[in-house]
Amino acid sequence: QVTLRESGPALVRPTETLTLTCTFSGFSLTTSGMCVSWVRQPPGKALEWLALIDWDDDKYYSTSLKTRLTISRDTSKNQVVLTMTNMDPVDTATYYCARISREPWYFDLWGRGTLVTVSS
Amino acid sequence: EIVLTQSPATLSLSPGERATLSCRASQSVSRYLAWYQQKPGQAPSLLIYDASNRATGIPARFSGSGSGTDFTLTISSLEPEDFAVYYCQQRNNWPLFTFGPGTRVDIK
Repeated sequence: QVTLRESGPALVRPTETLTLTCTFSGFSLTTSGMCVSWVRQPPGKALEWLALIDWDDDKYYSTSLKTRLTISRDTSKNQVVLTMTNMDPVDTATYYCARISREPWYFDLWGRGTLVTVSS
Repeated sequence: EIVLTQSPATLSLSPGERATLSCRASQSVSRYLAWYQQKPGQAPSLLIYDASNRATGIPARFSGSGSGTDFTLTISSLEPEDFAVYYCQQRNNWPLFTFGPGTRVDIK
C-alpha cells in the first residue's frame, strides 16, 4: 500500500524557518520516474506547487519561492524534507506532499496534509 | 509562468444534472492538463490526466476534453459525492506546475 504522511510544527513564528517531513511507503524514490513534491493550500484558497525532487536527486522549485525553499531526501528512511525560511503569516496553509510517478506523470497520490499557522 | 483560469467559479446544480467545467491556459499546454477533485477536509485526488484519460478507479461519468489552451471537465450525471471543488493543473512547463483557482460544484 502506497502512503505519504506529512509531519512538522503546527505553529511557526514570523521570520522562523519551517521544516516539514514527508514519510512515504510503498514505493522507492530511486525508481526511475518517481518524484515527490510539496504543494500548499492557504485556507479557502487554491493549490500552489512549491518544490519537487526526483529519482535522480534533481531538485526544482517554484520560481516565486525558490530563494526560500530547500528540498532534500533520505532514501534510507523514505523521507523527503522541505525547509522554508523567513516564514510570514501569508505562508499559513495546509502543506501536502504528493507523489508523481511515470504514467501518469501527475500527482497521483497525496498525503493528508498538515496545517501550518504562522503567528506571533 | 503559465496561468490557468477556471470558469465558472461556482456551479450550482442538482443531482442527476450534467456539469461542465472550463479551464483555460494563458499559453498552449498541448494536452498536458489534469483535473483533481477536492472534498472538504481532504487532499485533492486525480481524476483526469493528459486532458482526457481517466485515472485509476474513476467512474465513466467523468470525462475530459480539449487541447492547447481550452479544456473541459464534464460530469455526465452528478452523484451526491461529486459535489466538491475541482482544480485543473498543467505540466507542459515541467516541472513548473501551476493550478487553476478551482470551480466549486454546489448542490442547488
